[in-house]
Amino acid sequence: NAGVTQTPKFQVLKTGQSMTLQCAQDMNHEYMSWYRQDPGMGLRLIHYSVGAGITDQGEVPNGYNVSRSTTEDFPLRLLSAAPSQTSVYFCASSYSGDLAKNIQYFGAGTRLSVL
Amino acid sequence: AQKVTQAQTEISVVEKEDVTLDCVYETRDTTYYLFWYKQPPSGELVFLIRRNSFDEQNEISGRYSWNFQKSTSSFNFTITASQVVDSAVYFCALSDLYSSASKIIFGSGTRLSIRP
Repeated sequence: NAGVTQTPKFQVLKTGQSMTLQCAQDMNHEYMSWYRQDPGMGLRLIHYSVGAGITDQGEVPNGYNVSRSTTEDFPLRLLSAAPSQTSVYFCASSYSGDLAKNIQYFGAGTRLSVL
Repeated sequence: AQKVTQAQTEISVVEKEDVTLDCVYETRDTTYYLFWYKQPPSGELVFLIRRNSFDEQNEISGRYSWNFQKSTSSFNFTITASQVVDSAVYFCALSDLYSSASKIIFGSGTRLSIRP
């Protein structure tokens, strides 16, 4: 199993550009989440999904869109990038059934710079 | 509201010393989960432990141990006989019992440096 795969690993954008951060998992996990990590602030939840077709906002959703058309994929879209979105982005997934098993597993991260 | 505080921003110790990372949390939930994650210099997040609020027993795993005290809302992490490979940023985190699969509140992290 590849686990949680994020692409790209690095990206530089100009202000106003759009892009999609990809996240895929091969563990048949129902739950998936996006976090951003900024220096001195830990990780903050952007959006999450509890299953295909279901998404919800986290702590810092502004400027980001998500969709979940399949169980495996959970892309994060920046419609008009801003310098404040310069960050490291992490995708995570988790099994939803047994509470004892639903630990979040994280991808390797995408480092995004917006100039 | 839920909150996790890691007051120690950076810690530096010499190899083989013991080191404790502090974590204090706030929640109105009566049932919840607490976590520790490790982020080595390579950047990935590695799950270390999850503890539910029903279980206040301390846990030991090799050189790692965790002290959960509900009375003081703390979930501290101790590394015994530290090694250079322990150098990383360590995050304490919190979720309610039914959101641990999707919504975790992270502390700001403690950067641990182990000097040879």
